[in-house]
Amino acid sequence: EAQVTQNPRYLITVTGKKLTVTCSQNMNHEYMSWYRQDPGLGLRQIYYSMNVEVTDKGDVPEGYKVSRKEKRNFPLILESPSPNQTSLYFCASSRSGPSSEKLFFGSGTQLSVL
Amino acid sequence: AQTVTQSQPEMSVQEAETVTLSCTYDTSESDYYLFWYKQPPSRQMILVIRQEAYKQQNATENRFSVNFQKAAKSFSLKISDSQLGDAAMYFCAYRSAGTYKYIFGTGTRLKVLA
Repeated sequence: EAQVTQNPRYLITVTGKKLTVTCSQNMNHEYMSWYRQDPGLGLRQIYYSMNVEVTDKGDVPEGYKVSRKEKRNFPLILESPSPNQTSLYFCASSRSGPSSEKLFFGSGTQLSVL
Repeated sequence: AQTVTQSQPEMSVQEAETVTLSCTYDTSESDYYLFWYKQPPSRQMILVIRQEAYKQQNATENRFSVNFQKAAKSFSLKISDSQLGDAAMYFCAYRSAGTYKYIFGTGTRLKVLA
């Protein structure tokens, strides 16, 4: 089954404790991206990647890191989480190319930073 | 910079009736893509419909259709014969044809009344 797998679904942590949210897709998609969803703000893009070793900043990259060492994986790293990073996070992937490709989303990770 | 505005935080519709969700955007680009995504309570993001800016014909998908007014920078979603399963948060999204940077609106929560 074609899917984007995110883990964990729920995470509670404390300020300053490094964490990684994993994202993996099995569709051989070139494009992958991370979003955060906050009430009243919609989804905002954090980082995206066009292919292995190619990443770029979205609208809200501060406090986050990503890496794309393999095509299928695109982890989101919070080196020193802060309470303002409490949010619902989504990973998404799609084929690349000039057309309006559909984004496939993961199930989301609800992160709480205390 | 591009922006996407959804001015209706919440809408209600009677079952079997028709409802229109509004979306306006701002861009200086001529080539881009527009999307509507649905997020039911399961929080899974689902593509409803997409529109290429260079196509004048409005996209339709079964009970879902759009009214794309390029000059007015308007992209509204019409849901006909509303069903209880249509109850969800709906996000309008923009993507430049030249990049993979996505801009989402703040969302409209649709309630369907039995």
